[in-house]
Amino acid sequence: SQELEQSPQSLIVQEGKNLTINCTSSKTLYGLYWYKQKYGEGLIFLMMLQKGGEEKSHEKITAKLDEKKQQSSLHITASQPSHAGIYLCGADMSGSARQLTFGSGTQLTVLP
Amino acid sequence: EAGVAQSPRYKIIEKRQSVAFWCNPISGHATLYWYQQILGQGPKLLIQFQNNGVVDDSQLPKDRFSAERLKGVDSTLKIQPAKLEDSAVYLCASSPRGAETQYFGPGTRLLVL
Repeated sequence: SQELEQSPQSLIVQEGKNLTINCTSSKTLYGLYWYKQKYGEGLIFLMMLQKGGEEKSHEKITAKLDEKKQQSSLHITASQPSHAGIYLCGADMSGSARQLTFGSGTQLTVLP
Repeated sequence: EAGVAQSPRYKIIEKRQSVAFWCNPISGHATLYWYQQILGQGPKLLIQFQNNGVVDDSQLPKDRFSAERLKGVDSTLKIQPAKLEDSAVYLCASSPRGAETQYFGPGTRLLVL
């Protein structure tokens, strides 16, 4: 979706390296969701952010929402092959908390 | 707790044929979504149900796509007749009433030849 831009489109890193994926909008993000998708499979929920400046972590993955609530980042520390997949951000852009608009995803490859 | 179930997982049909997909959401989830995900893109919402009523079907190509959720539980998405550009993964998701987090099924991969 052009309303929600993800970068980079693809990323190849060596195992053990850190990486960051960005999700940007020109509109306010009332809720921002990060999902992971393995090729040919469904989306696995990772984290949800709602408040400006909010930050959440789970294992080696940290997600942040900026103060303006227009940009989010997903940071992976010490990447592992198990982190490989497609990372998608989805956002509630209407404030209705009913529908999500998704970015086009970031394909992450982690080389052993 | 069982997740969102979808079937079939894969389907290959010829253009102009019909196809149907089935989804069983997580027990107790009032809201059900159908998405279309074309290769290399993010999921695009086709239709959203709240119980057995349609909340939004503005992006559903109604000349060929239809969906129902008769008893407010499982749902069926149908394409009739299929076109080449319908080749995609069809994802079903559900969420509890009043909650925003959506939980996705494994998807049905459709190839139209």
